[in-house]
Amino acid sequence: DGGITQSPKYLFRKEGQNVTLSCEQNLNHDAMYWYRQDPGQGLRLIYYSQIVNDFQKGDIAEGYSVSREKKESFPLTVTSAQKNPTAFYLCASSVGTQNPTEAFFGQGTRLTVV
Amino acid sequence: GENVEQHPSTLSVQEGDSAVIKCTYSDSASNYFPWYKQELGKGPQLIIDIRSNVGEKKDQRIAVTLNKTAKHFSLHITETQPEDSAVYFCAAISQGGSEKLVFGKGTKLTVNP
Repeated sequence: DGGITQSPKYLFRKEGQNVTLSCEQNLNHDAMYWYRQDPGQGLRLIYYSQIVNDFQKGDIAEGYSVSREKKESFPLTVTSAQKNPTAFYLCASSVGTQNPTEAFFGQGTRLTVV
Repeated sequence: GENVEQHPSTLSVQEGDSAVIKCTYSDSASNYFPWYKQELGKGPQLIIDIRSNVGEKKDQRIAVTLNKTAKHFSLHITETQPEDSAVYFCAAISQGGSEKLVFGKGTKLTVNP
């Protein structure tokens, strides 16, 4: 089945530790996105990538890093510099930039700092 | 950059009534406007979308209208059912340049039996 997969579903991190969230898609999509969701805040864009080996900062990139070494993978690292990392993280992908189309979302990763 | 405002933040209706959620956007270059439904603990799923060359689109009980001049678009759900209860997000994106999908803050819809 084609789709976008995030793992793990739940993640616990100690303060001061980096943690990496996985996002994989087999839809052959060029564009991939990471969003953070907090109650009452909607979906805020962290980073996005329009093509392999290229990515741009979104609205809340501080304390996060990404890589796009393969078309199907767009991992997000939450670093110790992120002041308030506890949130629900969503990864999405879409066909590309030529003609905007539907973005498909993963099921999300809930990160909790303990 | 693009800014999307969404209202209301919460909406409660009786089963069978209609529900309307409204969004405004700031970037006149935006040309694609999707609506997503998010159930608790899950990722958002597209329910309907509209492009800037169309004024209205329907899919069974769901419809979206777009007013480019006023830069606002709306989601209409008729004959609401309890399973329509969820959080709904509008979004906007412009073609070309940096493709950033910008979301509104969401509307929590509750359909009471």
